[in-house]
Amino acid sequence: QKEVEQNSGPLSVPEGAIASLNCTYSDRVSQSFFWYRQYSGKSPELIMSIYSNGDKEDGRFTAQLNKASQYVSLLIRDSQPSDSATYLCAVGGAGGTSYGKLTFGQGTILTVHP
Amino acid sequence: NAGVTQTPKFQVLKTGQSMTLQCAQDMNHNSMYWYRQDPGMGLRLIYYSASEGTTDKGEVPNGYNVSRLNKREFSLRLESAAPSQTSVYFCASRENRDYSNQPQHFGDGTRLSIL
Repeated sequence: QKEVEQNSGPLSVPEGAIASLNCTYSDRVSQSFFWYRQYSGKSPELIMSIYSNGDKEDGRFTAQLNKASQYVSLLIRDSQPSDSATYLCAVGGAGGTSYGKLTFGQGTILTVHP
Repeated sequence: NAGVTQTPKFQVLKTGQSMTLQCAQDMNHNSMYWYRQDPGMGLRLIYYSASEGTTDKGEVPNGYNVSRLNKREFSLRLESAAPSQTSVYFCASRENRDYSNQPQHFGDGTRLSIL
């Protein structure tokens, strides 16, 4: 069974610091990797996608992928209290045969305190 | 642009009752998915529809049925509700484009309580 593991936290960081969120996955043929943010009582919202090894930056967010180590991470620079949420790591298989199905981790709760 | 719309937003059922959760997307997406989310367990796939006219089981299909009514609509039915089905249900859709791995987009969810 495909597994995606995240540290459930809670992860607490001070405002302005870098928050580092980690995710490991078990299926070696995984091809797509997503980070979703979910505020309490709300639906998941896509914030980053990454498909190739290395770093991908978008504003204050950087996603890092290492397929050899089966590891994906999300860095949030200059963390703000509005970043306080649950962050879900989602992993997808090979595009043609997986039909877009995603396996989600249990989520990491991030709290940014002033 | 409404995106993915789910109805109802909240529902309370008694054990043994049946109901259908509705989902519609206006993004012309081919694939649609139903998930349930329980505390501490992330999102688990119940059923999915890769394209209009097809449906298939996900990780936790027992106790549920689905219908892909047309390209826009994908409904989830609980035939005989059980307390273990108390959860938040999310519908999602995704564009299929040359086997590329496009992300899924989620509706606002249905909060279902079964007494």
